[in-house]
Amino acid sequence: DQQVKQNSPSLSVQEGRISILNCDYTNSMFDYFLWYKKYPAEGPTFLISISSIKDKNEDGRFTVFLNKSAKHLSLHIVPSQPGDSAVYFCAASALFYGYGNKLVFGAGTILRVKS
Amino acid sequence: DTAVSQTPKYLVTQMGNDKSIKCEQNLGHDTMYWYKQDSKKFLKIMFSYNNKELIINETVPNRFSPKSPDKAHLNLHINSLELGDSAVYFCASSQRAGGYTFGSGTRLTVV
Repeated sequence: DQQVKQNSPSLSVQEGRISILNCDYTNSMFDYFLWYKKYPAEGPTFLISISSIKDKNEDGRFTVFLNKSAKHLSLHIVPSQPGDSAVYFCAASALFYGYGNKLVFGAGTILRVKS
Repeated sequence: DTAVSQTPKYLVTQMGNDKSIKCEQNLGHDTMYWYKQDSKKFLKIMFSYNNKELIINETVPNRFSPKSPDKAHLNLHINSLELGDSAVYFCASSQRAGGYTFGSGTRLTVV
């Protein structure tokens, strides 16, 4: 039962253009959403997050949009750079017993930015 | 100075062996986790400890036993290793409702 889905296994974008990575979720109890970036042989690193009370959060070149009615979020990277080439994981949070987060991850999307 | 460090980075072992993976965080976080990334690349939670107390135990075979001697350490011991245990295991920590900081992963290969 995949509660978080990233339906595009990979995405290829030209340097300088916009990258749009999509994510859908099914559990309406999720109230906090995150994007992680992962390079080979490294652990995922936190990129940007958004609370369910917002519909947009921006941090430099990265913007996350949340559409709660559609249970959909997207990550926009503008402009894309070759160093952005990595696997991007979408994650959704369910606070568990008030201690920490249980993050549910999507399968990831491989982003390749061509120079 | 690594925030979440796990050892070893690579582990190759035979079926039936017992092995341990260690994890330490120096961030002062209260909660630590073990996640498994399987062959389909999904990251799935296995266990979570808050201040040495087990709070999440997903449907993981009881051959897997986490141990938290203090809130900065969460080790994973695996008994009677099976081929299907081959995966990358990630340790992570967080402060309550915050995002995770992950370790760099341990690639376990059971032969």
